[in-house]
Amino acid sequence: DVKVTQSSRYLVKRTGEKVFLECVQDMDHENMFWYRQDPGLGLRLIYFSYDVKMKEKGDIPEGYSVSREKKERFSLILESASTNQTSMYLCASSFGPSSGNTIYFGEGSWLTVV
Amino acid sequence: QKEVEQDPGPLSVPEGAIVSLNCTYSNSAFQYFMWYRQYSRKGPELLMYTYSSGNKEDGRFTAQVDKSSKYISLFIRDSQPSDSATYLCAMSAASNQKVTFGIGTKLQVIP
Repeated sequence: DVKVTQSSRYLVKRTGEKVFLECVQDMDHENMFWYRQDPGLGLRLIYFSYDVKMKEKGDIPEGYSVSREKKERFSLILESASTNQTSMYLCASSFGPSSGNTIYFGEGSWLTVV
Repeated sequence: QKEVEQDPGPLSVPEGAIVSLNCTYSNSAFQYFMWYRQYSRKGPELLMYTYSSGNKEDGRFTAQVDKSSKYISLFIRDSQPSDSATYLCAMSAASNQKVTFGIGTKLQVIP
């Protein structure tokens, strides 16, 4: 089974703090993604990476950055957390079009910024 | 207009009912279609995926794609309380890695 592991399930951070969300996948997938999910807004893509050290902006990249130093690991960074970044963050991975773009998600990280 | 439209519900049905969940889309380049199930406070899990028009069956679940109408459906037979979750449709073109999701339909199966 594909496993996408997000290191933190629940976090509470203060406004202005730097926040790191870590994600590891064990299926040798080329592509990795970070989404946030909010009630009434659905899943929104923040960033994705199609190879090591490569990244592409998604639909809502402002206030976020990412790092992919190894194929299996993709980190989301909130440089200066703000209350409007309180959300559920989902990491995902896929092989890409060769496998129908099927995406596999982690369990999610619930971030509260106070 | 959103690329993928999905009624958020909630949809309440009695146990044993046949459930029909639907999405419409506007991008004719979409060729891969997926359904995910998401339990409360969990990540979405892949239920079914299909390529091209037609039906695909897996146990109590049937996915249906009608490309001519740009309409996809997920049917759940003999629904169970454990099917209570949010169901998200997702789709993508063959030419890139981006996947577009519907907003999700919240389903409640009442015992």
